[in-house]
Amino acid sequence: GAGVSQSPSNKVTEKGKDVELRCDPISGHTALYWYRQSLGQGLEFLIYFQGNSAPDKSGLPSDRFSAERTGGSVSTLTIQRTQQEDSAVYLCASSFSGAKDDTQYFGPGTRLTVL
Amino acid sequence: DAKTTQPTSMDCAEGRAANLPCNHSTISGNEYVYWYRQIHSQGPQYIIHGLKNNETNEMASLIITEDRKSSTLILPHATLRDTAVYYCIVRVLNYGGATNKLIFGTGTLLAVQP
Repeated sequence: GAGVSQSPSNKVTEKGKDVELRCDPISGHTALYWYRQSLGQGLEFLIYFQGNSAPDKSGLPSDRFSAERTGGSVSTLTIQRTQQEDSAVYLCASSFSGAKDDTQYFGPGTRLTVL
Repeated sequence: DAKTTQPTSMDCAEGRAANLPCNHSTISGNEYVYWYRQIHSQGPQYIIHGLKNNETNEMASLIITEDRKSSTLILPHATLRDTAVYYCIVRVLNYGGATNKLIFGTGTLLAVQP
């Protein structure tokens, strides 16, 4: 079946602009996660959704970052007034959640470059 | 979540078994061991997970020591396409509300040589 999809695959923006990154989870998965991978920083957790609510936003680095999820499916990560240090690959994952096996499956990521 | 220790890099000859170790000496009784890998420029790929029994699937085998303080991921016949960073992660599974976030370490870069 279809896996997690993300769009766009690449995004180049100028410093100070806002960007929106989209994630389509696996159908039927109630849990959705955002991570980012910066050069030399490794993978870090940003936010977790269970349905449309976000019980854990502890990884969002600043108030310029926000995310929402509608209809228990698609999620959008928004970065306002982008900075060069926001350049990274943003990864989305989803999991069934609530079952014995809560394996997270990742999308291909969106590579964000802030000039 | 408990921390893990993995070698920074390993080499393996194509066609041979690749054995990737992971130490997790502070693991708790309700924490699972998960393995993911990341091939260059792709998202992490789930491989296998286990609690205390050894596990095997179509990709790999997971051997967990009796005291659960370490584990080994085994790729039985490594190919060039198995060259990737392999992450060992320990985590508690919480259902219905609490976060199940993954905490990634630096992983092991496995280089399969022709």
